[in-house]
Amino acid sequence: AAGVIQSPRHLIKEKRETATLKCYPIPRHDTVYWYQQGPGQDPQFLISFYEKMQSDKGSIPDRFSAQQFSDYHSELNMSSLELGDSALYFCASSEGGGNTEAFFGQGTRLTVV
Amino acid sequence: GESVGLHLPTLSVQEGDNSIINCAYSNSASDYFIWYKQESGKGPQFIIDIRSNMDKRQGQRVTVLLNKTVKHLSLQIAATQPGDSAVYFCAETPGANSKLTFGKGITLSVRP
Repeated sequence: AAGVIQSPRHLIKEKRETATLKCYPIPRHDTVYWYQQGPGQDPQFLISFYEKMQSDKGSIPDRFSAQQFSDYHSELNMSSLELGDSALYFCASSEGGGNTEAFFGQGTRLTVV
Repeated sequence: GESVGLHLPTLSVQEGDNSIINCAYSNSASDYFIWYKQESGKGPQFIIDIRSNMDKRQGQRVTVLLNKTVKHLSLQIAATQPGDSAVYFCAETPGANSKLTFGKGITLSVRP
């Protein structure tokens, strides 16, 4: 069965650079969530989209932005990267209309040096 | 603020024994609770869920218990296997299309 696809799997950037993470949800899933997971930490919610509109916002820095496109894939744009942004970034998708089971991708490991 | 947390950071069990992982939550408005398993380098994997109008739900080798009175959630794994070794997270959400709030993960280590 198709799963949530994230790209790239690994990314190394220098401080103050920008990064773009991509997420392709499971077909027919209209909701996308982004989470950040630091080393040894639980996933922290960043932002979510439902039917291409932002549905909720968590602890996402102003340096980050995200959007969901017409094909339902989503991109997380990160600018002015800081060392503390180094983390695993997960995307999850779910099907709206009452089905709340979210399926996670394999994540993108971002390392800022 | 609202929080979901786990009591113990690590749990070591003998292969074949039953495992019980506990979780406390503080948001009484939460309607949906989920347990996730996360293996090293992978994304959280759905194990089992339960809605707030239920006390117990069983899956294959796993059972989730919900005690709303004390805001407590537990995951029971029967006949624990080496493949069960991972970090386990509980998570809660108020409802459909809502964000998940994760608790602190607990590492389950299965001794052969």
